[in-house]
Amino acid sequence: EAQVTQNPRYLITVTGKKLTVTCSQNMNHEYMSWYRQDPGLGLRQIYYSMNVEVTDKGDVPEGYKVSRKEKRNFPLILESPSPNQTSLYFCASSFSVRSEAFFGQGTRLTVV
Amino acid sequence: KNEVEQSPQNLTAQEGEFITINCSYSVGISALHWLQQHPGGGIVSLFMLSSGKKKHGRLIATINIQEKHSSLHITASHPRDSAVYICAVTLFTTNKLIFGTGTLLAVQP
Repeated sequence: EAQVTQNPRYLITVTGKKLTVTCSQNMNHEYMSWYRQDPGLGLRQIYYSMNVEVTDKGDVPEGYKVSRKEKRNFPLILESPSPNQTSLYFCASSFSVRSEAFFGQGTRLTVV
Repeated sequence: KNEVEQSPQNLTAQEGEFITINCSYSVGISALHWLQQHPGGGIVSLFMLSSGKKKHGRLIATINIQEKHSSLHITASHPRDSAVYICAVTLFTTNKLIFGTGTLLAVQP
């Protein structure tokens, strides 16, 4: 089944403790991206990747890192999480920027 | 002013009604997306448009590139259509994706 898989689905962590949210797709998509969704602010793009080893900043990249060493995986890294990074995170992938996007199930992160 | 504006923000309809949600943008784009998000959070892509019109079942999406405007229509609406509908555009210059704030649709039986 074609899908985008995020893990974990829920995470509660403490300020400053490094964490990684994984994202994997099985559709051989070139374009992958990360978003956060906050009440009143909607969805905002954090980082995106056009292909392996190619990543670019979205609108809200501060406090996040990404890597794209393999086509299927695009992990989101929070080196030192802070409470303002408490949010609902989505990973998505598509064949190209002009193709239908497939979204993961979401990761609800709470930083205390 | 947001680069992507949706209207209305909230919409309540009776089952069977024809529904229109609008999206206007002020930037150069390579694609426009309509997304659906049900309570509980999952996001599903409904349409990707670069020109013209697309139809899937009871859903129709149109885009007018010259007027920088897109509409999402739902014919014969049903309570299961109740969700947030989100317009998003891919910027032509940077390939970034930016989003409208969404339209909360409630279809009452």
